[in-house]
Amino acid sequence: DAGVIQSPRHEVTEMGQEVTLRCKLISGHNSLFWYRQTMMRGLELLIYFNNNVPIDDSGMPEDRFSAKMPNASFSTLKIQPSEPRDSAVYFCASSERGFGNTIYFGEGSWLTVV
Amino acid sequence: SQQGEEDPQALSIQEGENATMNCSYKTSINNLQWYRQNSGRGLVHLILIRSNEREKHSGRLRVTLDTSKKSSSLLITASRAADTASYFCATDEGGNTPLVFGKGTRLSVIA
Repeated sequence: DAGVIQSPRHEVTEMGQEVTLRCKLISGHNSLFWYRQTMMRGLELLIYFNNNVPIDDSGMPEDRFSAKMPNASFSTLKIQPSEPRDSAVYFCASSERGFGNTIYFGEGSWLTVV
Repeated sequence: SQQGEEDPQALSIQEGENATMNCSYKTSINNLQWYRQNSGRGLVHLILIRSNEREKHSGRLRVTLDTSKKSSSLLITASRAADTASYFCATDEGGNTPLVFGKGTRLSVIA
């Protein structure tokens, strides 16, 4: 299996632009997580889905952030409009059955907003 | 919010030495997991220990869990330069509660 696949790996964008990050889950996994990692705040859970349904989005920082899971194997995280403080590494991760099991991370999307 | 807090924040040792990292947490847990992150990469799962377990081994890794002290330790024996990475503990409280990560310990193994 190819593992969790994220794109783009790196993105530099100007403040105010829309950013879309993409994630393909591991086949057979039904839980999907978006995390954000910064030096200051560490690894923060933004949102997680179970069977395509958002379970908890309390970690989404603002209305500028939105996440969707249009099918069982794919998810997007969108930031509109982007701001410099959104600069971070965004990780997508999946698991077979929620949090009590091994979570498999993608390699991350490194976002820089200038 | 951070549940697990790793200690020390950074650790530098010579190749061949053992490395011990500690994790403390605040609430009752269902499972505790340790992950590793190489620079510029995603996190990789190392080991999971359940709340009713006290010790677990995997190769050169040994994890202990003391639920009375709300703490866990990760021991890497006979360290290698390739073990250089950040190590994170993560806990969940069962059900649909999220997995919460600490800020990690940065381990440097000098050849």
